[in-house]
This record gives sequence, structure tokens and C-alpha cells, in this order.
Amino acid sequence: EAGVAQSPRYKIIEKRQSVAFWCNPISGHATLYWYQQILGQGPKLLIQFQNNGVVDDSQLPKDRFSAERLKGVDSTLKIQPAKLEDSAVYLCASSAHSTGAQNSPLHFGNGTRLTVT
Amino acid sequence: AQSVTQLGSHVSVSEGALVLLRCNYSSSVPPYLFWYVQYPNQGLQLLLKYTTGATLVKGINGFEAEFKKSETSFHLTKPSAHMSDAAEYFCAVKGGGFKTIFGAGTRLFVKA
Repeated sequence: EAGVAQSPRYKIIEKRQSVAFWCNPISGHATLYWYQQILGQGPKLLIQFQNNGVVDDSQLPKDRFSAERLKGVDSTLKIQPAKLEDSAVYLCASSAHSTGAQNSPLHFGNGTRLTVT
Repeated sequence: AQSVTQLGSHVSVSEGALVLLRCNYSSSVPPYLFWYVQYPNQGLQLLLKYTTGATLVKGINGFEAEFKKSETSFHLTKPSAHMSDAAEYFCAVKGGGFKTIFGAGTRLFVKA
């Protein structure tokens, strides 16, 4: 099966600019996640979608970050305006889990490395 | 709420030596536990997972982990390290609400 696709792989922007990342999950996976991974740290969940509804966005900085998953398939994460501390790898993951499959693992894309200067 | 603590941000072993990466968790509900591996410039890949049943879990590439409820631990081991095992390893816990929480990671170095 095709894996989780993310683009772009790398992005360099100046602070206060905007940026968008795209993710296409594994076909049929209902749950999609965006994680932020700062250098030297573990991934931190930003937002979780179940189909096209938001399950958890408690750690998403909503004043600058937004995400959508139209039609319950691919997703876009946007940052506007970017800050220096947003420099990180943004990982998209998908999972087949539903209420009956809580043990389903996450399948990750290769991430987008964002550098804010 | 759940949390994960990985002891040791860096571990160095010689090729052929035992690998032991430590993970302790806390969860208010019976947890699902995972180990993931991350190679440079790549996303995370699943190594193994514990759900219920057998406490010794075998994964890919010769890795295994033992779930010890009394110690709230899920340490990862491999009897003999290979150069290709050099990577970053993340322990993760999933409790109620399907939210997966990751530890800070342990970078494994393998010396020739």
C-alpha cells in the first residue's frame, strides 16, 4: 500500500510569513494527525481528525495555526504568521483505528522540515 | 492522562552487544504501548506494540519489549546490536481518547 505522503519536504521562510503543508494519508484511514517535532524532542500532537471532524486540537496554537481536512481525506496545516520557534519538523500520520481498534498504530509520512529565519 | 518517560537521551553500545532502551509510562486506563524508530530525515516507523495478552512482545529487526504492569515499564531490548540499528527510538502510550503521547526519544549509537 502507498504510505502517507507529505509535501513539501523542506521549507525555509522568514518570520511573519505564512506557510502551508499538505498531507495525503493511507487510503481508507479514518484518523489523521499532525505532529510537531522540535529538534531533540518527541513528536507533539497538534491536531487529530476523525474523518473530517476535529477530535483533539487542544495543543494547536489557534492564533497562528489552522488545519483542515476537507472530505475526510487529505489535509492542510497552515501557519500564519510564522515565528522563529515554529522551526521544526511537521509530521503527518494516519491510523485505521475506529472505536473498535484502539491498538492501531500510527503510520507516518517523512515530514516537512520548516526553518523560520 | 498519560505520559511517557524515556531514561537516557543517548545510549551507546558496541556492535554485537545487548541493546536496552528504557521506557516508563503512566496512564489512568489500561494502556496500549508502542515503540517506534526514526531514521534520519524520515518519519517514525512502528517497531512493535503491546495491546493485551502476552507481556513479551516481539517486533521487527530482532527487537522485543516486555510489559511490566507492576513497574509501569515497557523497556525495549535486542540481544545483539547491528550498525544499522543506529537511530532514534520513541516509546509511546495510547490511553483513552485515542491520543498517542510520545516520549522524548533515545538516540542509539552503535560502535564498530
